[in-house]
Amino acid sequence: NAGVTQTPKFQVLKTGQSMTLQCAQDMNHNSMYWYRQDPGMGLRLIYYSASEGTTDKGEVPNGYNVSRLNKREFSLRLESAAPSQTSVYFCASSDPGTENTIYFGEGSWLTVV
Amino acid sequence: QQQVKQSPQSLIVQKGGISIINCAYENTAFDYFPWYQQFPGKGPALLIAIRPDVSEKKEGRFTISFNKSAKQFSLHIMDSQPGDSATYFCAASIKTGANNLFFGTGTRLTVIP
Repeated sequence: NAGVTQTPKFQVLKTGQSMTLQCAQDMNHNSMYWYRQDPGMGLRLIYYSASEGTTDKGEVPNGYNVSRLNKREFSLRLESAAPSQTSVYFCASSDPGTENTIYFGEGSWLTVV
Repeated sequence: QQQVKQSPQSLIVQKGGISIINCAYENTAFDYFPWYQQFPGKGPALLIAIRPDVSEKKEGRFTISFNKSAKQFSLHIMDSQPGDSATYFCAASIKTGANNLFFGTGTRLTVIP
């Protein structure tokens, strides 16, 4: 049981390049999330998907897009990367059946130069 | 603006001592207050959580104290151990549908042997 799996773990991008962060969960959870973590800022919600087929903006959605591919997978896309998007990205999932506890992946370290 | 304010930013405690981390919030609609523990290179993991209908919750050496009227809650770690050295995040959410957590900025705890 892997929980929440994110790929890639590390990535360096040049300004203006695009990339997609992949996330998959094997806990049959309905809801999935993308957060970013920056020093002194805590974790901030980028986008979430309450259930398969729906996505909504979080606190800091600008510059990102998401796709809920199916119940297991939720991807985050940076269309034109900017240095301000240098961060650690965490995918997470939750389900009402587990007291809605949010389970996090191990993170993806992204550097935009 | 920060929905959940957390202090201190860092904390150094001797082994066996008590670690105390404080959080405050403004949104009275919040009804779920978890604490997450994060070790370097890992994703946050749920440590303990409380709902506002109780003033205290204890799990082992970890206790949440909750003051609804003051809109404050705190984490107490009794008999702190070097293995407790990690970053701790308080959070708050409204548990309807997707569990969108608003995180504090984190406290880096170091327990000195």
